[in-house]
Amino acid sequence: QKEVEQDPGPLSVPEGAIVSLNCTYSNSAFQYFMWYRQYSRKGPELLMYTYSSGNKEDGRFTAQVDKSSKYISLFIRDSQPSDSATYLCACAMNTGFQKLVFGTGTRLLVSP
Amino acid sequence: GAVVSQHPSWVICKSGTSVKIECRSLDFQATTMFWYRQFPKQSLMLMATSNEGSKATYEQGVEKDKFLINHASLTLSTLTVTSAHPEDSSFYICSAREVARRETQYFGPGTRLLVL
Repeated sequence: QKEVEQDPGPLSVPEGAIVSLNCTYSNSAFQYFMWYRQYSRKGPELLMYTYSSGNKEDGRFTAQVDKSSKYISLFIRDSQPSDSATYLCACAMNTGFQKLVFGTGTRLLVSP
Repeated sequence: GAVVSQHPSWVICKSGTSVKIECRSLDFQATTMFWYRQFPKQSLMLMATSNEGSKATYEQGVEKDKFLINHASLTLSTLTVTSAHPEDSSFYICSAREVARRETQYFGPGTRLLVL
């Protein structure tokens, strides 16, 4: 079993839709949870990070962590074609951030 | 701010040759840099952690004699793939961590390596 599981997609939605991207993880020692956006043939770009359980909002993006179920989510409101990319979740333990464990990424396609 | 560059962006080489990839933090000091490898449709896999002025720490299954890492300054780390083979063809991405913000890694744009 992979430590971080993520549906690879692709997930296709029309412009303006609300997008829900999800990951599950197995290691209860993870304390930090991150979402990265990666465009084709580019490096990942940090969107948001969250410590422990709870919600965090930044513009059209909301990150949600439920440690009791080991489930993390990223919601995108009013999705735009420019949001089309691969979204990677990543988890880290609370010990110096020496290692990020990534999911495989979900490819999102937002059509105009 | 927090820009990380990589050079080259892509490289094609013959089997048996060595390839060096540079990772630079352009506007911040990075005591720690990380090297990842990403195969198509797979997740980023950490290869090694590079600390300035000390030896790199390699993940299980990564050959340290094949993937040489040097972190000579607070803004530069290099990865050398020695005696490259076709199975080493991949997307290599580095990241750097700011001294003051340990929870965040900033990623470079990646280097695509094709070994013929």
